[in-house]
Amino acid sequence: DAGITQSPRHKVTETGTPVTLRCHQTENHRYMYWYRQDPGHGLRLIHYSYGVKDTDKGEVSDGYSVSRSKTEDFLLTLESATSSQTSVYFCAISEWGNTDTQYFGPGTRLTVL
Amino acid sequence: DQQVKQNSPSLSVQEGRISILNCDYTNSMFDYFLWYKKYPAEGPTFLISISSIKDKNEDGRFTVFLNKSAKHLSLHIVPSQPGDSAVYFCAGFQGAQKLVFGQGTRLTINP
Repeated sequence: DAGITQSPRHKVTETGTPVTLRCHQTENHRYMYWYRQDPGHGLRLIHYSYGVKDTDKGEVSDGYSVSRSKTEDFLLTLESATSSQTSVYFCAISEWGNTDTQYFGPGTRLTVL
Repeated sequence: DQQVKQNSPSLSVQEGRISILNCDYTNSMFDYFLWYKKYPAEGPTFLISISSIKDKNEDGRFTVFLNKSAKHLSLHIVPSQPGDSAVYFCAGFQGAQKLVFGQGTRLTINP
């Protein structure tokens, strides 16, 4: 299995509070991604990174920010959590040129009350 | 705008029979299509892919077929086994290392 960990694995928070999710990889892969999974929507890309300090938006980036200060860590921040951000969040990594090797972490279940 | 669609939320198949999961897409610029499998409380895992210049790719019990004129792909699992029970996502690769996923189909294999 690819070395990807996500923390925390579960979190319950209240509307309006800031939340940061962490993705850590030991594979030294260049690309890192944050997705959310919701019933009826599959997996939707929030943000992705193509290198240290290089990030770009995905299709559902509103309300989220990311940072990547080291190759191995990719942080997803909800500045002020809303109930619509209740979801399961997955981090993924891939190496340039390998279209079929996007490896996923175990996920973080976030509940915003 | 849903670029990749899996119109069947669920599918139930008898063990040993063929499972066929379908996926439609609207974006003609996808270079590759991929299938991922997901068990509960785990992340998706890559299953099989197909280049847009091919019409078939086979890997053991899994075969993916691509019909570009119909913008349709399907995953065949033969024979189906209980361990195949999972949610299956199809995805299109559109460059910049980004995948666009369908909604997923929950496959249940009955003994």
